Amino acid sequence: AQRVTQPEKLLSVFKGAPVELKCNYSYSGSPELFWYVQYSRQRLQLLLRHISRESIKGFTADLNKGETSFHLKKPFAQEEDSAMYYCPLGSYKLIFGSGTRLLVRP
Amino acid sequence: EAQVTQNPRYLITVTGKKLTVTCSQNMNHEYMSWYRQDPGLGLRQIYYSMNVEVTDKGDVPEGYKVSRKEKRNFPLILESPSPNQTSLYFCASSVLPLTGEVAPQYFGPGTRLLVL
Repeated sequence: AQRVTQPEKLLSVFKGAPVELKCNYSYSGSPELFWYVQYSRQRLQLLLRHISRESIKGFTADLNKGETSFHLKKPFAQEEDSAMYYCPLGSYKLIFGSGTRLLVRP
Repeated sequence: EAQVTQNPRYLITVTGKKLTVTCSQNMNHEYMSWYRQDPGLGLRQIYYSMNVEVTDKGDVPEGYKVSRKEKRNFPLILESPSPNQTSLYFCASSVLPLTGEVAPQYFGPGTRLLVL
């Protein structure tokens, strides 16, 4: 079965600390993975997609097929990074996990 | 400005009173989809459409209907709303990906529905 697991409901870090948001997936075939961010009371926005291998707002994510993971990382968290983060699996049909709320404290 | 719009943004209704939430996109996208977002459950797909007159069930279609008469619009219809349909609803659209490509989805601002 296709599934995405984001094991942390809430991740709290201090400003300037490194942050890693975990994402594990179960998928038969070659997965297409994304990270979306939802700031308070706003729509979901695309943050990253694994095929582009780019860095957006200092965030990076590497697809690890051996560990079936696509963790999101940032070396120095900022307060404005506080948001809900989702790593859906798929292409036109997205399968979402339950998301992780990141709280960056001053 | 390229965008996905939804109306209304907030709606309070009573059990059994039919309602429609509209979704419109101006990007000429073939693919459109509806999701509901509930605490602890993330987003779950309700229905999707790959083109005009082509719709299919997502993961939680019970109690919902959709139609795709025009490319830009994809309304969500609740014929007889119930309290368990109280949720935050998002519409999304994208181009239809070619084989091997990835097409990110663009989301609307959300519609918060309360069914009493």
